[in-house]
Amino acid sequence: TQLLEQSPQFLSIQEGENLTVYCNSSSVFSSLQWYRQEPGEGPVLLVTVVTGGEVKKLKRLTFQFGDARKDSSLHITAAQTGDTGLYLCAGAFRVDSNYQLIWGAGTKLIIKP
Amino acid sequence: DTAVSQTPKYLVTQMGNDKSIKCEQNLGHDTMYWYKQDSKKFLKIMFSYNNKELIINETVPNRFSPKSPDKAHLNLHINSLELGDSAVYFCASSQLNKGLFFGSGTQLSVL
Repeated sequence: TQLLEQSPQFLSIQEGENLTVYCNSSSVFSSLQWYRQEPGEGPVLLVTVVTGGEVKKLKRLTFQFGDARKDSSLHITAAQTGDTGLYLCAGAFRVDSNYQLIWGAGTKLIIKP
Repeated sequence: DTAVSQTPKYLVTQMGNDKSIKCEQNLGHDTMYWYKQDSKKFLKIMFSYNNKELIINETVPNRFSPKSPDKAHLNLHINSLELGDSAVYFCASSQLNKGLFFGSGTQLSVL
């Protein structure tokens, strides 16, 4: 059974601080996706990382895919109250001609003003 | 234009009733999904369709039946609703491995 462990489950910090969220697995993924979900809405795709060691930046958010494609991190610099939300990672793997996802349990992030 | 739209947004119903949730995507994606999100916010795949063909059917009660009339639509019908069915249900679509686009969810409350 494939597992994707996401940590921390909950994080509450002051505006302006930095933070990192981790997703780890013993399985190799073809890609790793990060989503943000706000209350009452569906998850919104932030980024997909595909290549081992890949780093992608989205303004103050930096996403990294591990060299072995088994883990990923999301780093937020100088967090703002608008970053508050539930962050989810999902690892994609191929089954026959289709892709399936396994999901992390999510990180609930609260940024205090 | 909403990319993935599902209706209704809220569904409150009595135990034992039958209800349906509709989903439509205008992104031209080949694959559509139904997910269930529990109170702890964990997303669990229920069904996946690729070009109207069922490709994932996780262990869900057979009271849940998906139907895909065409590749832009994936509806979910639930028979004999139970208290434990209360959750938020999300429809999503994707193209290959490029990430999922979700609807805004249907909050189902079974009384």
